Amino acid sequence: NAGVMQNPRHLVRRRGQEARLRCSPMKGHSHVYWYRQLPEEGLKFMVYLQKENIIDESGMPKERFSAEFPKEGPSILRIQQVVRGDSAAYFCASLPTGGGTEAFFGQGTRLTVV
Amino acid sequence: AQSVTQLDSQVPVFEEAPVELRCNYSSSVSVYLFWYVQYPNQGLQLLLKYLSGSTLVKGINGFEAEFNKSQTSFHLRKPSVHISDTAEYFCAVSNNDMRFGAGTRLTVK
Repeated sequence: NAGVMQNPRHLVRRRGQEARLRCSPMKGHSHVYWYRQLPEEGLKFMVYLQKENIIDESGMPKERFSAEFPKEGPSILRIQQVVRGDSAAYFCASLPTGGGTEAFFGQGTRLTVV
Repeated sequence: AQSVTQLDSQVPVFEEAPVELRCNYSSSVSVYLFWYVQYPNQGLQLLLKYLSGSTLVKGINGFEAEFNKSQTSFHLRKPSVHISDTAEYFCAVSNNDMRFGAGTRLTVK
């Protein structure tokens, strides 16, 4: 859905660099999800955030990965010291306050680690 | 916590044949159910959703799904597929948060 904006669409990083992925949810949406899709695999839940709160980060790797959704501005998924195995498509989805309805997805950021 | 199981990771089928993609969910409370489609190198699009009411839900592109509460299933069907239906299909369950299945890759030959 064009309303959820992810940038950049494509990101190339060398091993050891940091990757920052941004997601601007649809207007009025205060719930954000991040998913990772490895090549030839399905969606894997990473983290669920509301404004200024991490609700569920059970899908996040314990090291190098972090996420935030500040009061103002986009949600950020940060990957430190990237490795080749981090190469994947990262999708953001947003839902309105209260949940319970469909999620709207961004077009994704395709991270390539070289 | 709720979860979703898509029973088939890959489904190959010939053009104009019928297809069923299976989805089972688990939840201790009432949920909303969704099917999303992902075409190659694109994001996810909503195919159809069940919120309440009739258990047979019709979506875009001729797809439909039936909610079966007793079997906790929400299988997706299409009576006659086209080459253009080749894509990844994801089942999702939502209450206070949303969870997706691992996906089913439909390949129409």
